[in-house]
Amino acid sequence: DQQVKQNSPSLSVQEGRISILNCDYTNSMFDYFLWYKKYPAEGPTFLISISSIKDKNEDGRFTVFLNKSAKHLSLHIVPSQPGDSAVYFCAASLYSGGGADGLTFGKGTHLIIQP
Amino acid sequence: KAGVTQTPRYLIKTRGQQVTLSCSPISGHRSVSWYQQTPGQGLQFLFEYFSETQRNKGNFPGRFSGRQFSNSRSEMNVSTLELGDSALYLCASRWDTGVYNEQFFGPGTRLTVL
Repeated sequence: DQQVKQNSPSLSVQEGRISILNCDYTNSMFDYFLWYKKYPAEGPTFLISISSIKDKNEDGRFTVFLNKSAKHLSLHIVPSQPGDSAVYFCAASLYSGGGADGLTFGKGTHLIIQP
Repeated sequence: KAGVTQTPRYLIKTRGQQVTLSCSPISGHRSVSWYQQTPGQGLQFLFEYFSETQRNKGNFPGRFSGRQFSNSRSEMNVSTLELGDSALYLCASRWDTGVYNEQFFGPGTRLTVL
């Protein structure tokens, strides 16, 4: 059973416009969420994170929104640039006992920025 | 600061063999996690080591094992390889296991089982 879902396998956006990537989760115990970006033949690169006590976190062109009641988070990229073309993974973590457990990942969304 | 390094980058093995993958974390990071990435299942957590002790384990069979050395370097071993073990194996490190610190990933080892 997938606890973190990214329902759009791919997304195409024009350069300069806003890219919105969505992620849903089912485990209400998750309390920390992250977005990673991955290029082919490279490991995932950390982008931005958000704690469950917040509903928004911003870092430059990247903003993550968290809606706990809906168990939904989204990543906004404004403006979208050609270098943003990559696979984006949503990940979640929960804190238990002595520390945070391993990350649970969604299957990724392939973002394509068109010129 | 050097990133997470993994060796080898590519590996081809046959069914029934065993394999050992290596990971060197970022200097100062004490936690190392391993993940398996396949087209069908995506990225799945294997296990995490902290201060030479396994503190977390994902839902994988006992053929998958690991260890961590005193310098925080980690190895992952897969015994009796199966075709389905073909995957990209990613290692990630972080400073501590506290919840508010992100993991940094290496480039991965691409394992092909024939």
